[in-house]
Amino acid sequence: QKEVEQNSGPLSVPEGAIASLNCTYSDRGSQSFFWYRQYSGKSPELIMSIYSNGDKEDGRFTAQLNKASQYVSLLIRDSQPSDSATYLCAVITAGKSTFGDGTTLTVKP
Amino acid sequence: EAGVAQSPRYKIIEKRQSVAFWCNPISGHATLYWYQQILGQGPKLLIQFQNNGVVDDSQLPKDRFSAERLKGVDSTLKIQPAKLEDSAVYLCASSSRVLDEQYFGPGTRLTVT
Repeated sequence: QKEVEQNSGPLSVPEGAIASLNCTYSDRGSQSFFWYRQYSGKSPELIMSIYSNGDKEDGRFTAQLNKASQYVSLLIRDSQPSDSATYLCAVITAGKSTFGDGTTLTVKP
Repeated sequence: EAGVAQSPRYKIIEKRQSVAFWCNPISGHATLYWYQQILGQGPKLLIQFQNNGVVDDSQLPKDRFSAERLKGVDSTLKIQPAKLEDSAVYLCASSSRVLDEQYFGPGTRLTVT
């Protein structure tokens, strides 16, 4: 079992729809959770961080963390073509950083 | 505030040659990471420094890869000798503390022929 797992996709949604991205992790002791966006040929850029159970909203993005079920999700509302990218989930466990392999999102105009 | 700087941006070498990458983190960031990202995969942690000490290097192929962080600021990652499978993007990231958000540099794309 991978330490951090994401659906590889690709995930395709129409413009204006809600995109839902999911991530599960294996270690109950994981402490910090992040979502990064990576455009093709570019380096990852931070979208959201979340540290405690519940929802955290930032503009069109909402991160949800459920430590009991060991998953973290990212919702993108009013998806735009510019949101088309690979979304990486990252988890810090005992000070060590682990990334999933990402989910590729395509938003169709 | 200046971001994470890396150089070179691109490098092409033949197998068995050596190569070095340089990283300058965001000012004041104590934690520095080197990742290897192969096409289609997520970044894989190679080594993590806290100031100038190594926190984790469990996935660093120590027979060919080495890294150092002098004076707790700049860092270099070296590969000697390179293999074809080392072709990847090498990303440097830094964070204020271990549990905090990481900020990435532009990366170095290495091609080994």
